[in-house]
Order: sequence, then structure tokens, then C-alpha cells
Amino acid sequence: LAKTTQPISMDSYEGQEVNITCSHNNIATNDYITWYQQFPSQGPRFIIQGYKTKVTNEVASLFIPADRKSSTLSLPRVSLSDTAVYYCLVHTGGFKTIFGAGTRLFVKA
Amino acid sequence: DAGVIQSPRHEVTEMGQEVTLRCKPISGHDYLFWYRQTMMRGLELLIYFNNNVPIDDSGMPEDRFSAKMPNASFSTLKIQPSEPRDSAVYFCASSLGASEGEQFFGPGTRLTVL
Repeated sequence: LAKTTQPISMDSYEGQEVNITCSHNNIATNDYITWYQQFPSQGPRFIIQGYKTKVTNEVASLFIPADRKSSTLSLPRVSLSDTAVYYCLVHTGGFKTIFGAGTRLFVKA
Repeated sequence: DAGVIQSPRHEVTEMGQEVTLRCKPISGHDYLFWYRQTMMRGLELLIYFNNNVPIDDSGMPEDRFSAKMPNASFSTLKIQPSEPRDSAVYFCASSLGASEGEQFFGPGTRLTVL
């Protein structure tokens, strides 16, 4: 299973765009890249998933370069309520998901 | 749909006691996952089921832990006997097979073993 590496923490201010990059050098051909968000005292919540290039939904964008060895979650115009831990995962259809340490994002006023 | 339902939300017990955590997945979901989260070890996958059958239990820490899924709408995670190091938040999640990445998590059960 591919190991992921993310920054431990990031700080931002309200209204800014936040980009969190995840490294997954040994990603396999069939692996998808998925990001989750977790607030204190809650379970993780799915944000976005992609395989290659760019994926966008109402919450975020996911950029994946051609070699797929990294991915970047982009959160446009963050607010205080986006303060959370963000997890990057790579996994195949086997469903064995491994959560790393995640990135603790702190948004300041 | 109410989402994934877990009970109890909080459990405090003494070392050596049996603990049973319960989960009701989202109706129609065919995968069910049990996770454990601690500050030291983060979020760990313990076991997952597909169509009520355990597929991978390699994350179950030891024989004191067991999980069952008697039907599509109910699963249990049992710890017998419990130990203080089992103190953690236990999450249940479910997903629909066709959506490989999106797991829906319950609110978790915070277990404290004294």
C-alpha cells in the first residue's frame, strides 16, 4: 500500500486559498487519491477523490500531475470553519484504507 | 437517511470487563469498516466487511477483539477483556461498493477503560 507524506500543520487566514500537498511516491497504477476532512469529536468526512489531472467539486479542487507521485488539495477562500485535519489517502479497489497523520489546518481571523 | 449510527456514544468501563460497540450502516451500503483513533497511533483500520462477510481483519490488534456482522444493518465490535490501552475513539463507516473512495463515518464511540 502506498505511503503518503503531508505537512503536519499549516496556518492560513480567512479568505485565502489553501493548498495542501501530499506525496505518494510509490502509488500503484490502480490507486485512487482521496482526501478526507475531520473536525474535533467527529468522524472523517469525504472531500474529494481523483485519479489523474484535475477534479473539482463544490468544496475543493484536487490537482494531480502526470506522474501521480503527488497531489494537491486546494481549498478556495477558507473560513474559520475550515479549521480541521485533512487526510490524504491512496488506495485501490480493495478498500483497505490507511490514514496517515494528516495535516492540521488552522484558519485565523 | 440518518447516516451511520453508533452506540453508545460514550462508554466508561473497568479493566477486564467486556465491551460491545454497535453500528448501523447506511441502508444499501455493502461495505462496513471499523476504525480506532488515538493520539499516538492516529486512525487505524481494524476490520472491514463486504456483504456481511469479513474481508480483512489484519488490523485487529489481538484476540481480545472480535467483530461480527449478522445482517446488512448491524455490526458489533467486542473487546473481551478490555484493557486501559484500548481507550480510544472507535468509528464505524460504511460505503457503497461502486464508490471506491467515499466512506461515510459515524460519530464514533469514545471508550475509556479504567
